[in-house]
Amino acid sequence: AQSVTQPDIHITVSEGASLELRCNYSYGATPYLFWYVQSPGQGLQLLLKYFSGDTLVQGIKGFEAEFKRSQSSFNLRKPSVHWSDAAEYFCAVVFPSGGYQKVTFGTGTKLQVIP
Amino acid sequence: GAGVSQSPRYKVAKRGQDVALRCDPISGHVSLFWYQQALGQGPEFLTYFQNEAQLDKSGLPSDRFFAERPEGSVSTLKIQRTQQEDSAVYLCASSSMWGTGDDRISYEQYFGPGTRLTVT
Repeated sequence: AQSVTQPDIHITVSEGASLELRCNYSYGATPYLFWYVQSPGQGLQLLLKYFSGDTLVQGIKGFEAEFKRSQSSFNLRKPSVHWSDAAEYFCAVVFPSGGYQKVTFGTGTKLQVIP
Repeated sequence: GAGVSQSPRYKVAKRGQDVALRCDPISGHVSLFWYQQALGQGPEFLTYFQNEAQLDKSGLPSDRFFAERPEGSVSTLKIQRTQQEDSAVYLCASSSMWGTGDDRISYEQYFGPGTRLTVT
């Protein structure tokens, strides 16, 4: 079955430390992959996306993500976290199969940043 | 405004009441989505419009949920006879033309701030 998993419900990091949020998917081919961020009371904002090509994708706000086909993963990274990065992060997937395809979201990882 | 707007931002309804949630997409966006986000969960797809046509309503949880977009711009999600399990944040997103053309822009959704519905 097609699915997307975010194994970590909650992560705490110190300001200035590096960050990696995990995302795994289950699909027989390469899906389209997205990371969104949701701040309290706000809608979701797209950080970055991957369709094909270079497996390291740069996004906004200093985030990057790496697609690893062998691990069916698309992990989000940031070298140095800022207090303003505290938010909930969602991995999302489109499983292309011709025609219209909808987005499937993971359950999210809530990031806490401590001083 | 430049973004997607939703109203009301907060709605409290007594069980059994009907509610209507409004979404104003970005001007000119053809595609419009509704999602339901329960507490601690990711957004779950409800329905999709291309212009005024509702092309996918497979995510609507029951026949108490109804969505429309009569003129291809503003959309309304209506929930009849609300139940406690309907309590959630309802998100609307729009896209210029979902899933067609240049991949770099055709899979970008712009989300509104959501409407938090609490059914008591």
